[in-house]
Amino acid sequence: EVVLTQSPATLSLSPGEGTTLSCRASQSVSSYLAWYQQKPGQAPRLLIYDASNRATGIPARFSGSGSGTDFTLTISSLEPEDFAVYYCQQRRIWPRTFGQGTKVEIK
Amino acid sequence: EVQLLESGGGLVQPGGSLRLSCAASGFTFSSYAMSWVRQAPGKGLEWVSTISNSGSNTYYADSGKGRFTISRDNSKNTLDLQLNSLRAEDTAIYYCARDRTWEGPFDYWGQGTLVTVSS
Repeated sequence: EVVLTQSPATLSLSPGEGTTLSCRASQSVSSYLAWYQQKPGQAPRLLIYDASNRATGIPARFSGSGSGTDFTLTISSLEPEDFAVYYCQQRRIWPRTFGQGTKVEIK
Repeated sequence: EVQLLESGGGLVQPGGSLRLSCAASGFTFSSYAMSWVRQAPGKGLEWVSTISNSGSNTYYADSGKGRFTISRDNSKNTLDLQLNSLRAEDTAIYYCARDRTWEGPFDYWGQGTLVTVSS
């Protein structure tokens, strides 16, 4: 099984700041990596698929990059609604696996 | 508008069974693979099962293999998950999700249904 390790576990930031979240895979997943955002009490929402493609309706301040084993999600300037938990997920190898999440909290 | 609405969750004793359902609307259901993903209280996301658009192919996480059965009815636009031999560690919110493409990411999610396994 592919283990996805996200870092850091928590980020404390202020609105307007930019940030980069990391996701590292235990083996290559090519570009088959997605990022999701989850707010308390809500279902996850797809942000980025295949490493760098924004999903429908996702603002341009969200961008993804990487391939193989190292991936990043960048939020260029945090809006109040961006404070949430972010998960990465790979679809290259069954079983499909998720990272443990990075919480982006308000400082 | 794509909508996924889960139902069937509840409190069940260890060893018991439950059948979850997901009603889909707003898209051509028979064209998409569908999945179940769960989330234990305060924990991360765990993929549970996927079924192909025709229903001919199914996949399960090891945690549910032999105990869970995914199925779909394309005439009714419904997705089901039969949960048998439930354990305390199966306690979670179960989300129905659409696969963007076969084996693709999950592009739409329902709001989830809570399954609690406890005596």
